Amino acid sequence: NAGVMQNPRHLVRRRGQEARLRCSPMKGHSHVYWYRQLPEEGLKFMVYLQKENIIDESGMPKERFSAEFPKEGPSILRIQQVVRGDSAAYFCASSPPYSGSVLGEQYFGPGTRLTVT
Amino acid sequence: AQSVTQLGSHVSVSEGALVLLRCNYSSSVPPYLFWYVQYPNQGLQLLLKYTSAATLVKGINGFEAEFKKSETSFHLTKPSAHMSDAAEYFCAVSDQGSSYKLIFGSGTRLLVRP
Repeated sequence: NAGVMQNPRHLVRRRGQEARLRCSPMKGHSHVYWYRQLPEEGLKFMVYLQKENIIDESGMPKERFSAEFPKEGPSILRIQQVVRGDSAAYFCASSPPYSGSVLGEQYFGPGTRLTVT
Repeated sequence: AQSVTQLGSHVSVSEGALVLLRCNYSSSVPPYLFWYVQYPNQGLQLLLKYTSAATLVKGINGFEAEFKKSETSFHLTKPSAHMSDAAEYFCAVSDQGSSYKLIFGSGTRLLVRP
């Protein structure tokens, strides 16, 4: 049973470009969560999605960031017009409906390390 | 706002020695608590979790943690360190209002000396 998949693992973008990060949840998981880890810090919640629905995006920056989880295909975290401060590791987690959303039990992917030059 | 404090960004132990990684949380009600381990260039792996059952929780790889409400602590221990335990360890608490939202500490890097 494959775990949570994220690609690319490493992404380099110049300031002003767009970054697209992909996350494929574990088989049977319909809930996806995105977290950001800045250097020397813990992970910070960004957004919680179910298929075709954004449940909670309270941790997303107000501008330039968006996320989706379409009916078919992976979840996408999109960052427009990247700036140096966006350099971080972005982790995706997934869960079945109850254990993740109620008990907080989530399974994490390996992360995408974004570097903005 | 809830928070998690991990004392010591780096902890160094000898192989075979006791491992103790500290975690304190702030919450007005007993939360769900988690310890995750992150090996280099990998994602976070759940070590163990506390969800209001037994206060002493056993996890994978010989780790355990004890929930102490009076001290608002959830320290992680292992009786005998192994070289393969070298990694970064994160304590997390579920948000009171939205339990799917995990609040993480800043992590403790465990170094194991031969």
